Amino acid sequence: EAGVAQSPRYKIIEKRQSVAFWCNPISGHATLYWYQQILGQGPKLLIQFQNNGVVDDSQLPKDRFSAERLKGVDSTLKIQPAKLEDSAVYLCASSSYSLTGNTEAFFGQGTRLTVV
Amino acid sequence: GDSVTQMEGPVTLSEEAFLTINCTYTATGYPSLFWYVQYPGEGLQLLLKATKADDKGSNKGFEATYRKETTSFHLEKGSVQVSDSAVYFCALSPATGANSKLTFGKGITLSVRP
Repeated sequence: EAGVAQSPRYKIIEKRQSVAFWCNPISGHATLYWYQQILGQGPKLLIQFQNNGVVDDSQLPKDRFSAERLKGVDSTLKIQPAKLEDSAVYLCASSSYSLTGNTEAFFGQGTRLTVV
Repeated sequence: GDSVTQMEGPVTLSEEAFLTINCTYTATGYPSLFWYVQYPGEGLQLLLKATKADDKGSNKGFEATYRKETTSFHLEKGSVQVSDSAVYFCALSPATGANSKLTFGKGITLSVRP
């Protein structure tokens, strides 16, 4: 079974530039998550999708971050404009959903963003 | 809000030593509790989980028991191996509902020397 795919693996940009990350979840998984992991900290949820609807985006800095999940499959996360403090690993995860709730979340390898 | 506190690291042990990594949480109701592991160069993967009080999760020789009275989920292994060297994260998620976001602790780096 293919895992969660993310690209690119690494990205270096200058502050005030824009950047986009892509995620392809495990086939059939209705729930998709984007997490931000700053060095030395645990991952923090940015946004959670259920199919193509947003369940939780309370910690997404909406003035600069945006995310979409068209057709309930792939997702993109965008930062515009980037700040130095956005340097982090951006993790995508997915899980399947049933009447009893979400199952285990499977994580991609992440995109390491460095803002200089 | 929900939070997870892990003991400070890093931890360095000799092979075959006993491992305990402390984890406590703050949450309403009865969250599900998890340990995730990140091996060098790899993504986060679920190590074990427990979904209700007194449940014991176990995998690869690791164990953790959901203690509601002490709001803890400490990770233990009787005899660590060099291959256990990784970063370990304790996490929780709400018990029910569509919002199943994970709240993570800071993680702790374990190094096992031969």
